Amino acid sequence: DTEVTQTPKHLVMGMTNKKSLKCEQHMGHRAMYWYKQKAKKPPELMFVYSYEKLSINESVPSRFSPECPNSSLLNLHLHALQPEDSALYLCASSSPRLGSTDTQYFGPGTRLTVL
Amino acid sequence: GEDVEQSLFLSVREGDSSVINCTYTDSSSTYLYWYKQEPGAGLQLLTYIFSNMDMKQDQRLTVLLNKKDKHLSLRIADTQTGDSAIYFCAESPQAGTALIFGKGTTLSVSS
Repeated sequence: DTEVTQTPKHLVMGMTNKKSLKCEQHMGHRAMYWYKQKAKKPPELMFVYSYEKLSINESVPSRFSPECPNSSLLNLHLHALQPEDSALYLCASSSPRLGSTDTQYFGPGTRLTVL
Repeated sequence: GEDVEQSLFLSVREGDSSVINCTYTDSSSTYLYWYKQEPGAGLQLLTYIFSNMDMKQDQRLTVLLNKKDKHLSLRIADTQTGDSAIYFCAESPQAGTALIFGKGTTLSVSS
């Protein structure tokens, strides 16, 4: 099973709202990622959690707040977003062990629209 | 710096072969990947190749790697309309970090 699930599939929010995106995997992977993807562009890394600790923050604005409650779950808390934050948010997971492929498996994404 | 280049568009007829090309710059990348993205969907891993291989075949997909020229290609045999999508080439310079993606090649298959 190489499935990463994400909820919700679509989200529309106002600039004053607080919402959360959720991601789950049951592959035993110990690294989880958030990427942001604008239309017709490749994904851009936002955050990496490795063994439930934040290991990479790609200078993401503080209105995006990641959380990794356990090794299977990854959340992205959203607050006071701007219309330019509208995008597809993709979660991925991998197993970064020496000698392994560290292949990243992606979820279906959450399409976020900020009004 | 790290960079992955791909041609942006490819148009083929159903039943023909498609070849999508990619060049990368980081010779330390251990694995190179091809992902497929259909409209409105996430990224689907198609295949990957280890850097010490020069070819990998998986059903209709053939990946060729020229490590000397840092050139990677994906051949899709007997292309179908369901293969219409954006194809991303990606390299992984270091485990647990960002994949470095190309800009993606939009494959259009006409019947």
